[in-house]
Amino acid sequence: KNQVEQSPQSLIILEGKNCTLQCNYTVSPFSNLRWYKQDTGRGPVSLTIMTFSENTKSNGRYTATLDADTKQSSLHITASQLSDSASYICVVRASSGGSYIPTFGRGTSLIVHP
Amino acid sequence: EPEVTQTPSHQVTQMGQEVILRCVPISNHLYFYWYRQILGQKVEFLVSFYNNEISEKSEIFDDQFSVERPDGSNFTLKIRSTKLEDSAMYFCASSVRQGVTEAFFGQGTRLTVV
Repeated sequence: KNQVEQSPQSLIILEGKNCTLQCNYTVSPFSNLRWYKQDTGRGPVSLTIMTFSENTKSNGRYTATLDADTKQSSLHITASQLSDSASYICVVRASSGGSYIPTFGRGTSLIVHP
Repeated sequence: EPEVTQTPSHQVTQMGQEVILRCVPISNHLYFYWYRQILGQKVEFLVSFYNNEISEKSEIFDDQFSVERPDGSNFTLKIRSTKLEDSAMYFCASSVRQGVTEAFFGQGTRLTVV
């Protein structure tokens, strides 16, 4: 069964600090992995999309890494801001016979304090 | 910037009633999706729609649900005979292509079944 596990479940950091969120998956065959930011009561917004051949992808202060061998990904946030407070969701898509049904993680709830 | 719009933002309905959730995808997008997020839980894929037909659906998307693109711009999710457990946030999304491409989410419709 395809699964995506994220850790930690929640994280509190001070403004200006860095943090790293983890995602482990068992989705197979792997197509791509996405990180989304979801503000409370809003729809998810895409941060990065990574395919099998990509190890690192950056989007501003967000840097995602992917290790397809160990089936792990991380999202590193640099110099956190108050507006980074949100849920960060890892989503992995399989690709099998034309199917692209995504598997969502439960998300990491990040709170940035001043 | 183009965006996916959903209406209403909040819908309250009595158990057993039918509801229609509406979405206007981004105009040049060809793939449309519905997702569900029960409060405190992870986002779940419901259905994808392309070329006026369902391309994929999850186990959640049973005979109680249906989707339609009635007029070339709107994309609707109909839920028949609503149950208490249908209470959730429903997100519409659209993308230019399937696979490795960004999906843009709407702000969601919060459905409350009483």
